[in-house]
Amino acid sequence: GAGVSQTPSNKVTEKGKYVELRCDPISGHTALYWYRQSLGQGPEFLIYFQGTGAADDSGLPNDRFFAVRPEGSVSTLKIQRTERGDSAVYLCASSLSGGGYTFGSGTRLTVV
Amino acid sequence: GENVEQHPSTLSVQEGDSAVIKCTYSDSASNYFPWYKQELGKRPQLIIDIRSNVGEKKDQRIAVTLNKTAKHFSLHITETQPEDSAVYFCAASCKGAGNQFYFGTGTSLTVIP
Repeated sequence: GAGVSQTPSNKVTEKGKYVELRCDPISGHTALYWYRQSLGQGPEFLIYFQGTGAADDSGLPNDRFFAVRPEGSVSTLKIQRTERGDSAVYLCASSLSGGGYTFGSGTRLTVV
Repeated sequence: GENVEQHPSTLSVQEGDSAVIKCTYSDSASNYFPWYKQELGKRPQLIIDIRSNVGEKKDQRIAVTLNKTAKHFSLHITETQPEDSAVYFCAASCKGAGNQFYFGTGTSLTVIP
């Protein structure tokens, strides 16, 4: 596609529920990144995919967070047993290997 | 890991004046430094970047300088316009190591007409 697409744009969920956030990167971009941005802060790295494999998942805060990219394009970030502290904007970005990022518009997750 | 600090957190300038935002980084292996502009409720957008083999890069009213020895880099916006008002983030990364970006905490720039 023309840009990085993220769905949904907004998600409100109850504490304890499971959520999935989707990212559709720019066609041909091999690298895909997930970041989390809290209010008034810079984006914080979560996980990086090169192709289908998670090359670096050191930013995932705990084992409630998991991400997949089974075919090397679309990625899904999965959060189990959501907590209020998970509320943030989740940003996806893609790049040709080694290039600057193009960010998606993000998914604003609110856990109530 | 890398630690990026950014100053100031807020900056107000009169239209037409210059604005300077400064960042420092800790990891001498970092070699790529992008700057992003983020308007309220919008995605961060890359406005300029610099690699460690150059000391300065300019694109119209925007310039970035890099001092590798001191581990700091700065964004300079000249002839500011109201549409420059946004939050600006610096970042540092080590290309070849996954290209993960470490972001600063942002500078909220307000250009007063």
